[in-house]
Amino acid sequence: NAGVTQTPKFRVLKTGQSMTLLCAQDMNHEYMYWYRQDPGMGLRLIHYSVGEGTTAKGEVPDGYNVSRLKKQNFLLGLESAAPSQTSVYFCASRKGGGIQPQHFGDGTRLSIL
Amino acid sequence: DQQVKQNSPSLSVQEGRISILNCDYTNSMFDYFLWYKKYPAEGPTFLISISSIKDKNEDGRFTVFLNKSAKHLSLHIVPSQPGDSAVYFCAASENSGNTPLVFGKGTRFSVIA
Repeated sequence: NAGVTQTPKFRVLKTGQSMTLLCAQDMNHEYMYWYRQDPGMGLRLIHYSVGEGTTAKGEVPDGYNVSRLKKQNFLLGLESAAPSQTSVYFCASRKGGGIQPQHFGDGTRLSIL
Repeated sequence: DQQVKQNSPSLSVQEGRISILNCDYTNSMFDYFLWYKKYPAEGPTFLISISSIKDKNEDGRFTVFLNKSAKHLSLHIVPSQPGDSAVYFCAASENSGNTPLVFGKGTRFSVIA
């Protein structure tokens, strides 16, 4: 059981390039989330999804787009990468609300030069 | 405005001692509280949780206490071990799954052998 898998694990981009980060979960979870972690800032929510075909903005959505075409996948896109988007990105999934915990992937380290 | 606050960015204790990590929240709609542990280069992992109808939950060396009137929770680690060194995140949840977990900024916890 792989849980939450993020690809790629590392990536270096030049300013203005675009890329897509993939998150896949095999737990049939309804909810999925994208976070970024920066030093001293904790985990900041970018976008999330409450089910297949749905997306919603989180705390820091600007510069990112997402899609949830299949229940098991949640894609995070950077259309025109900026140095301020250099960060570690974490995907998470959750079965339901309340006491249900979120399960995280191991992160994607992204550097924008 | 931060809804979940971890006011200690870092904490160091000696091996074998009791450790207390603190967390405060402002939103009275939160019904569930979770603690996560994060090692470097890994995603956060779920540690322990508590419902607002309880004031204590214990799992091995880890105990979470909730003081709802003070909007305060704490994680006790007894005894502290070197393998506990990690960043600990406090998170809060409303009952609805459509509302994402709200995370604190984390406390970097070090156990000195």
